[in-house]
Amino acid sequence: DIQMTQSPSSLSASVGDRVTITCRASQSLSRYLNWYQQKPGKAPQVLIYGASSLQSGAPSRFSGSGYGTDFTLTISSLQREDFATYYCQQSYSTPYTFGQGTKLEIK
Amino acid sequence: QVQLQESGPGLVKPSETLSLTCTVSGGSVSSDSYYWSWIRQPPGKGLEWIGYVYYSGSTNYIPSLKSRVTISVDTSKNQFSLKLSSVTAADTAVYYCARLFCSDRSCYSNWFDPWGQGTLVTVSS
Repeated sequence: DIQMTQSPSSLSASVGDRVTITCRASQSLSRYLNWYQQKPGKAPQVLIYGASSLQSGAPSRFSGSGYGTDFTLTISSLQREDFATYYCQQSYSTPYTFGQGTKLEIK
Repeated sequence: QVQLQESGPGLVKPSETLSLTCTVSGGSVSSDSYYWSWIRQPPGKGLEWIGYVYYSGSTNYIPSLKSRVTISVDTSKNQFSLKLSSVTAADTAVYYCARLFCSDRSCYSNWFDPWGQGTLVTVSS
């Protein structure tokens, strides 16, 4: 199985901050990496697919980059509604696996 | 707009079989562009993909659960289902159904969208 490791596990930031979350895979994924946002009591929603493609309807302040084993999710200017937990997920091979999550909290 | 809705018992006894159904509305489970998945999340923990079914009935499961899990599709009802046998407390989780969207025939580029709202299943006597 491909292991996905996110860092940090939690992060405190303020509205307007630029935030970066990192995801590392145990083997190369090419560009087959997705990012999801999950708010408390809700199902995850895809933000970024294929490492850098913004899902329709997702705000443009979200961006993704990376290739191979190292990927990042960047939020250019945090909004109050962005405080949530973020997960990366590899779609390169089954079993599909997720990172452990990064909880983004208000400072 | 496609919507997914999970249904099934919220409480299952240890050693029994967990059974959930996902009803798809606004789209067809018979589309050849999608796989229909189950994902679970233990309380306060991360996400675990369980497996998927294609409209043809072909399946793919996570190896750690393969001996206990069955995912099936009913095209006449536009539903797909999860059965997990011999459950223990470790199977207590929110269970989500989700559509796995494939951007091309190879399905290398794929992502889960949309998801159902999730249903909490507690394993307890």
